[in-house]
Amino acid sequence: KNEVEQSPQNLTAQEGEFITINCSYSVGISALHWLQQHPGGGIVSLFMLSSGKKKHGRLIATINIQEKHSSLHITASHPRDSAVYICAVASMEYGNKLVFGAGTILRVKS
Amino acid sequence: GAVVSQHPSWVICKSGTSVKIECRSLDFQATTMFWYRQFPKQSLMLMATSNEGSKATYEQGVEKDKFLINHASLTLSTLTVTSAHPEDSSFYICSATPGTGGWGEAFFGQGTRLTVV
Repeated sequence: KNEVEQSPQNLTAQEGEFITINCSYSVGISALHWLQQHPGGGIVSLFMLSSGKKKHGRLIATINIQEKHSSLHITASHPRDSAVYICAVASMEYGNKLVFGAGTILRVKS
Repeated sequence: GAVVSQHPSWVICKSGTSVKIECRSLDFQATTMFWYRQFPKQSLMLMATSNEGSKATYEQGVEKDKFLINHASLTLSTLTVTSAHPEDSSFYICSATPGTGGWGEAFFGQGTRLTVV
């Protein structure tokens, strides 16, 4: 079993829909990262969370430490949101290394 | 936000030659940078941790003599793929975290697509 599990693996949505991507992890963490990777390959850090909720524009990230679960929400989705979204955790168990989920491929159709 | 610049963004080289990839933190210093490799449709795989002023720490299965890492300053780490072979063709990406030790928010370079012919 992977330490970081993401769901769904693939997601197709219609423009304007509300999108949720989930991330579950099995280790104690110091922080959780949500990353966005576009088809060209470059990766953008969207959020770093250790508790609660963060919001940036149409993106919202939440984390429940007790349940070891985080969600990334996209409101009013747009085709430009199409990308791979990756959850990664930082844990004392792994030193300063990040452990990555497999990613969620999101496609938003117009 | 903080910027990490990776260069080149793509490179094609002949088998047997060496290729150097640079990773620069443009507006912060980082004692630790990370180098990843990504195969198509797979997630990032950590290759090594680059430590400023000391030897890099390689992950199991990654050849030190094949993938040379130099972290000569607080803003620059380089990865040299030596005697490249077609199986080294991949997407290489670096990340850096401001401050000491590699803890905190990670900022990623744009990645380098290496094709060995």
